[in-house]
Amino acid sequence: DAKTTQPTSMDCAEGRAANLPCNHSTISGNEYVYWYRQIHSQGPQYIIHGLKNNETNEMASLIITEDRKSSTLILPHATLRDTAVYYCIVRVVGYGGATNKLIFGTGTLLAVQP
Amino acid sequence: EPEVTQTPSHQVTQMGQEVILRCVPISNHLYFYWYRQILGQKVEFLVSFYNNEISEKSEIFDDQFSVERPDGSNFTLKIRSTKLEDSAMYFCASSGLAGETQYFGPGTRLLVL
Repeated sequence: DAKTTQPTSMDCAEGRAANLPCNHSTISGNEYVYWYRQIHSQGPQYIIHGLKNNETNEMASLIITEDRKSSTLILPHATLRDTAVYYCIVRVVGYGGATNKLIFGTGTLLAVQP
Repeated sequence: EPEVTQTPSHQVTQMGQEVILRCVPISNHLYFYWYRQILGQKVEFLVSFYNNEISEKSEIFDDQFSVERPDGSNFTLKIRSTKLEDSAMYFCASSGLAGETQYFGPGTRLLVL
């Protein structure tokens, strides 16, 4: 089972920031938080990942709480094309013995409204 | 930007037939994966592959499934005798090293009649 909890759905107005929360209260010290999204049954698209520091790239920002038990994905200026299911996944990143598989939950359906 | 590609985009087959789904991973990646998503359900891990052998597989990946890297660029998933319940989107993914970010292809929609 997925080790994360996300709201089933969220709405966001076009042009506004979309803040998608994720709870991962059982996260281990060597587990990263990954975010992917899936637009209408297309292949999951990698967005961003982080361990404990906040991260930003051209797509989004990732804010991880100090205790690492939750995080928020921020899309700074949502567009209609950002309508998708967003998955928060925790996984070990390393070598030797760690499983590499991604365990997807049901994610959050973000609907960006015009 | 390098990307994972998959062919065909759609495949319709009769129950009991063999199908081969093809993937071209990102060129310098070493780890390859197959996932599937039955309509309306979660994305599920099937198998991971490294150095010409399976490194991990799920319970779904039974004897009807096999994977192969027949040459330096392709990665294939074979279903020997398809069942109705094999109807799903099949996604290939690749990563540079173990534990690195996995990048997914667009998927193959398989419909078994």
